[in-house]
Amino acid sequence: NAGVTQTPKFRVLKTGQSMTLLCAQDMNHEYMYWYRQDPGMGLRLIHYSVGEGTTAKGEVPDGYNVSRLKKQNFLLGLESAAPSQTSVYFCASSLAVLYEQYFGPGTRLTVT
Amino acid sequence: AQKITQTQPGMFVQEKEAVTLDCTYDTSDQSYGLFWYKQPSSGEMIFLIYQGSYDEQNATEGRYSLNFQKARKSANLVISASQLGDSAMYFCAIVRGATNKLIFGTGTLLAVQP
Repeated sequence: NAGVTQTPKFRVLKTGQSMTLLCAQDMNHEYMYWYRQDPGMGLRLIHYSVGEGTTAKGEVPDGYNVSRLKKQNFLLGLESAAPSQTSVYFCASSLAVLYEQYFGPGTRLTVT
Repeated sequence: AQKITQTQPGMFVQEKEAVTLDCTYDTSDQSYGLFWYKQPSSGEMIFLIYQGSYDEQNATEGRYSLNFQKARKSANLVISASQLGDSAMYFCAIVRGATNKLIFGTGTLLAVQP
């Protein structure tokens, strides 16, 4: 049972490049989330999904897009990376409302 | 809007002693949940404990307990018998019932000294 996995673990991009972060969970969870963590600011919600085929905006959605074509996968895309998107990105999933969220190991992204 | 406040940027505690990490929250929802997560230096987020707004008893999980005072809107984490492995960043978070979105505080860095 792998839980929540994220690909890649590290990435360096140049300004203007695009990339996709992949999150996968094997717990049959309905809810999935993307957060970013910056020093001194805790984790902030970027986008989330309450089920296959659904997505919604979180606190800081600008510059990101997401897709949930399969229940087990949640993709986060950066169409044109900016240095302000340098951060650690965490994916999480939960079974239902008011249930704990299980986090992936994180992806460290640097945009130069 | 919901908000979590953790007023202690850093804390020190001696090994084997108890420590309380403060968390206050602001919400207008009747149904909500409060979580504590631990983030060691390796970076992963580890779930510690959960308290539902309708739970009458304080949550406990091993050496962790949550001191829930609903009227004061506080949800402090108590770690008993601290261990060196407890040294980490600790985050308090609140979740709304409808969407399960987590709002995190800025965290408290706990250092356990031998």
